[in-house]
Amino acid sequence: NAGVTQTPKFRILKIGQSMTLQCTQDMNHNYMYWYRQDPGMGLKLIYYSVGAGITDKGEVPNGYNVSRSTTEDFPLRLELAAPSQTSVYFCASSIAGLDEQFFGPGTRLTVL
Amino acid sequence: AQSVAQPEDQVNVAEGNPLTVKCTYSVSGNPYLFWYVQYPNRGLQFLLKYITGDNLVKGSYGFEAEFNKSQTSFHLKKPSALVSDSALYFCAVRDIGAGNNRKLIWGLGTSLAVNP
Repeated sequence: NAGVTQTPKFRILKIGQSMTLQCTQDMNHNYMYWYRQDPGMGLKLIYYSVGAGITDKGEVPNGYNVSRSTTEDFPLRLELAAPSQTSVYFCASSIAGLDEQFFGPGTRLTVL
Repeated sequence: AQSVAQPEDQVNVAEGNPLTVKCTYSVSGNPYLFWYVQYPNRGLQFLLKYITGDNLVKGSYGFEAEFNKSQTSFHLKKPSALVSDSALYFCAVRDIGAGNNRKLIWGLGTSLAVNP
């Protein structure tokens, strides 16, 4: 199993540009999550999904959108990039809500 | 309000010495508690969790954690630290009485440095 994979690893965006961060898991997990990690701020949950077709907001959803058309994929969309979205983004998955979460390697995004 | 605190930003310990990374929590019901580790430029990895039962939980890489309900703590411990244990450690909690709330509350992390 590849586990949780994320692409791209790095990206630089200009203010106002859009992009999609890709996340795929091959463990047939129902739950998937998107977090952002800022220095000294720990992890903040952006969006999560409990199964295909179901998504819900986390702590910091503004400026982001997600979709979950399949069990495997959970892409995160940034529509109008802002400098405040400069961060490291992690995707994670778990079998259920109280199980351990498996994390991808992260995407380091810089918005200039 | 649910919360989790890691009171130390950084912990330094000599190789071979025991280590403790502290975590305290506040939830309205019974807690589910987790520890994760993050090595540089990597995603987080699960170490261990407490759900119910024995207060001493054993996890990966020789780590263990002790659940203390009266002190609302879940400190991570290891009897003998290795240089390779140097990393960022995160505590997380979920209130199992929170119904449909499937979210974990994360601590801010503690940077562990093990000196040779």
